[in-house]
Amino acid sequence: SQQGEEDPQALSIQEGENATMNCSYKTSINNLQWYRQNSGRGLVHLILIRSNEREKHSGRLRVTLDTSKKSSSLLITASRAADTASYFCATALTGANSKLTFGKGITLSVRP
Amino acid sequence: GAGVSQTPSNKVTEKGKYVELRCDPISGHTALYWYRQSLGQGPEFLIYFQGTGAADDSGLPNDRFFAVRPEGSVSTLKIQRTERGDSAVYLCASSSQGVSQETQYFGPGTRLLVL
Repeated sequence: SQQGEEDPQALSIQEGENATMNCSYKTSINNLQWYRQNSGRGLVHLILIRSNEREKHSGRLRVTLDTSKKSSSLLITASRAADTASYFCATALTGANSKLTFGKGITLSVRP
Repeated sequence: GAGVSQTPSNKVTEKGKYVELRCDPISGHTALYWYRQSLGQGPEFLIYFQGTGAADDSGLPNDRFFAVRPEGSVSTLKIQRTERGDSAVYLCASSSQGVSQETQYFGPGTRLLVL
């Protein structure tokens, strides 16, 4: 079963614009992570935000977490054509088992 | 250093055959995970190893699926009597200690096609 649900399912923007992607989840979590995937192959870890954090930055990425609403958003500023990919949020539960539960993903297209 | 590697990159087999998929984790990582990703979906957890032992195999869909990690490094995912529904990309990931707040590093995946 998939806990996370990303929104929108697909997003198309112009290079230079900002891209905002949202994720909602159902159960209490230890942390939430965002991954990028190009061409349906390996996932690249982008950023991890812990349940006691509200906002985190990494380069052009900004992620927020609202545990009361069980939601997160990923903002990519000043997008580039190379940002074109699928983006997934994944949640990790508290405890010894660190398996990730992924959403279905968002397809981002950045037009040059 | 070297990342997670998976072999083969692609595997085509016939329904009913047996397949083995291999994962080489990052050196020194004690935790190893297998996920399966169907077309248009996110990865779904299959099994998690902590060292040599399977700490959680709750994601394995049925008893045709089995995985081993005999020396706590390389892992092999084995699928018996393959079915067309097994067609997917099989992803392997590793992390340093297997605790929740760690990054999992993914390999490029093995694309399995069952004809």
